[in-house]
Amino acid sequence: GNSVTQMEGPVTLSEEAFLTINCTYTATGYPSLFWYVQYPGEGLQLLLKATKADDKGSNKGFEATYRKETTSFHLEKGSVQVSDSAVYFCALSDRSYIPTFGRGTSLIVHP
Amino acid sequence: DVKVTQSSRYLVKRTGEKVFLECVQDMDHENMFWYRQDPGLGLRLIYFSYDVKMKEKGDIPEGYSVSREKKERFSLILESASTNQTSMYLCASSPAGQALGSYTFGSGTRLTVV
Repeated sequence: GNSVTQMEGPVTLSEEAFLTINCTYTATGYPSLFWYVQYPGEGLQLLLKATKADDKGSNKGFEATYRKETTSFHLEKGSVQVSDSAVYFCALSDRSYIPTFGRGTSLIVHP
Repeated sequence: DVKVTQSSRYLVKRTGEKVFLECVQDMDHENMFWYRQDPGLGLRLIYFSYDVKMKEKGDIPEGYSVSREKKERFSLILESASTNQTSMYLCASSPAGQALGSYTFGSGTRLTVV
């Protein structure tokens, strides 16, 4: 079956630091890959997505590249802000409309 | 602004009570989902529905049931609440035939069973 593995958190950074949150996946076929973000007290929001190998998704300064050879979709941001503090979920979706989520990684950014 | 609305943000119920969690979407989406979210476990799918009066079990359906009498409304029912059902519950919807990425989530209901 499908699975998504994310690095465990919390990830604690100072403002303007570089962020990487690792995500690897196992799936048959060619899934679409996603990052969702959950701000405190809110539901999940789509952050970015990539639908085929070598695609790069980007939004709000965040980027992730679909790497089929390493089955990875790592999330990066060059300079984080306090407002980026949230929980980040990596997910995949194949032909089914039922996605597979990772367990989430909490990011804490200090001023 | 399109949205998924969950009727309560916080709910406290007693053990053994029958609990209803309501979810309404205004996007005319065919698919609706109920998840629970627990620390360290991420999101786990309880039930989903791809049409009115249709329902399918997810990964953890035990102790729960659902109702979808109208397209826009998907209710989660805890038949007899127990303390291990204390959790954050998230509702989501998506259009028919579209994979994740078209999901819209509600803000969640934090349920405490005492």
